[in-house]
Amino acid sequence: QKEVEQDPGPLSVPEGAIVSLNCTYSNSAFQYFMWYRQYSRKGPELLMYTYSSGNKEDGRFTAQVDKSSKYISLFIRDSQPSDSATYLCAMTGNGNQFYFGTGTSLTVIP
Amino acid sequence: ETGVTQSPTHLIKTRGQQVTLRCSSQSGHNTVSWYQQALGQGPQFIFQYYREEENGRGNFPPRFSGLQFPNYSSELNVNALELDDSALYLCASSLGQGPYNEQFFGPGTRLTVL
Repeated sequence: QKEVEQDPGPLSVPEGAIVSLNCTYSNSAFQYFMWYRQYSRKGPELLMYTYSSGNKEDGRFTAQVDKSSKYISLFIRDSQPSDSATYLCAMTGNGNQFYFGTGTSLTVIP
Repeated sequence: ETGVTQSPTHLIKTRGQQVTLRCSSQSGHNTVSWYQQALGQGPQFIFQYYREEENGRGNFPPRFSGLQFPNYSSELNVNALELDDSALYLCASSLGQGPYNEQFFGPGTRLTVL
């Protein structure tokens, strides 16, 4: 069983839609949860960072962590064509090793 | 402020050869982590260097080795290349070694092994 599971998609939505991206994980020691955006032929860029359970909002992006269910989500409101990218979840405990999901490919259609 | 840079951008090698990939960390960052990202997969942690010492390693064989220099730039060396080593190699730098330090990624080096 992988440490982190993420549906690879692809996901295609119309401009303005609300997008929901999810990951599940198996290691209860994970405490730090991140969402990265990766454009084609680029390195990942950190979007959201959450410690432990709860919600965090930044502009059009909301990250949710439910440690009891080992489930994290990223919501994108009013999606734009520029949001088209691959979205990676990542998480870690107190160590230095970050565990990434496989990424979900998102296309926002104008 | 210069971001994380990596060289070369692309590289083609044959099975059994050795390769060295280079990373310059962001100004002020003393920690560098290396990741392997196979096509269609998420990045896999190879190892991390903090102040010139290896500071954690993922599930990669010893033929993957690294160095960090006094200016905190880093190298990833891979010996006895295998076809499965074909991937995008990413380095990420951060202000420190803890998980609460944001990792800034470079654009990656795409390695093809024939």
